[in-house]
Amino acid sequence: EAAVTQSPRNKVAVTGGKVTLSCNQTNNHNNMYWYRQDTGHGLRLIHYSYGAGSTEKGDIPDGYKASRPSQENFSLILELATPSQTSVYFCASGDPGQGAGNTLYFGEGSRLIVV
Amino acid sequence: AQKVTQTQTSISVMEKTTVTMDCVYETQDSSYFLFWYKQTASGEIVFLIRQDSYKKENATVGHYSLNFQKPKSSIGLIITATQIEDSAVYFCAMRELNMGYKLTFGTGTSLLVDP
Repeated sequence: EAAVTQSPRNKVAVTGGKVTLSCNQTNNHNNMYWYRQDTGHGLRLIHYSYGAGSTEKGDIPDGYKASRPSQENFSLILELATPSQTSVYFCASGDPGQGAGNTLYFGEGSRLIVV
Repeated sequence: AQKVTQTQTSISVMEKTTVTMDCVYETQDSSYFLFWYKQTASGEIVFLIRQDSYKKENATVGHYSLNFQKPKSSIGLIITATQIEDSAVYFCAMRELNMGYKLTFGTGTSLLVDP
């Protein structure tokens, strides 16, 4: 069974602090994604990656950085967290090579509150 | 820019009936993939069904089927014989071939199935 795990699952951070959300996948998928989910906005793409060492900007990258040090790991970094970044963050992996049009497998989500 | 719109915020149906959820998309690309995902009350997001733009036949998986109307840029999700456990939020998503593996989601439709 495909597996994407996120940590931490819950985080309270202070404004101006640094936050790192981590994601690990055992699917051996090339592509990985970070989305945030907010009421009324659905899932919005922050950053994504095509493989180790690569990161691409999504639709709302401002205020976020991403890091893909290996095939398995993809991190989302908030250098200076702000209350507007309070949200639920989802990581996902996908592999177009499996002929599935890049079906995504999601992690459980990480709830971040910035106070 | 790709855009996915779900105008139905919430739907309520009786168990064992059929429900249709709407989704319209905007794209300049001649080749694209359309997806539906389900988010359960626990927050888990899972892939349901996919339609490739070049296929004329509507996709069907179990009691999920799609109503793909390409001239109208519409991809409706049909759930037949609804069950209580179908209560969830349903997201429509699109990947354009020329946009790499970027996947854009709609805002979601909340479905409540009453006994």
